[in-house]
Amino acid sequence: DAGVTQSPTHLIKTRGQQVTLRCSPKSGHDTVSWYQQALGQGPQFIFQYYEEEERQRGNFPDRFSGHQFPNYSSELNVNALLLGDSALYLCASSFGTRVEEQYFGPGTRLTVT
Amino acid sequence: ILNVEQSPQSLHVQEGDSTNFTCSFPSSNFYALHWYRWETAKSPEALFVMTLNGDEKKKGRISATLNTKEGYSYLYIKGSQPEDSATYLCAFTSTGNQFYFGTGTSLTVIP
Repeated sequence: DAGVTQSPTHLIKTRGQQVTLRCSPKSGHDTVSWYQQALGQGPQFIFQYYEEEERQRGNFPDRFSGHQFPNYSSELNVNALLLGDSALYLCASSFGTRVEEQYFGPGTRLTVT
Repeated sequence: ILNVEQSPQSLHVQEGDSTNFTCSFPSSNFYALHWYRWETAKSPEALFVMTLNGDEKKKGRISATLNTKEGYSYLYIKGSQPEDSATYLCAFTSTGNQFYFGTGTSLTVIP
């Protein structure tokens, strides 16, 4: 049983560009949450997707958007990249509307130059 | 934005020592407190989910306690081993279902 997978592992982009990160949830899970972990910080909640809709959103600008597909996989898109978007992006999956337990992927390391 | 604080930020202990860390969180609108263990280059791994005041959970040499009235949780490791070296994260969830993470405690166990 595969756990949560994320791609790519590492990514280098230039300021102003756009990036798409991908996440496949653990088998049987239908909810995907995205987090940003900047250097020296704990993971910060970006948003959560359930039934292909954004259910909750943290304090992130509209440059951060997402999508969930019918197979429950998800994408995180970031437009107009800033240097400050450099971080580790974590995806977590869970089941149902009440998140009792999350399983995390290994993350995508994004570097913006 | 809810504030979750962990202390200490980092810790170095000798193999065989017992140690503990603290997680402080808001005591209002509490739903659950989560502890994760995160080794370098791996995924964070869930250790405990605690929901009731006075909860105590144990997994092998690691245990955790919860005080929701005063807003803190302790994680204990008995007889630390080098393989316990990792960052230990706590996360608070309120009735709003969102996870709020602390910045973690980095533990290094010296053989």
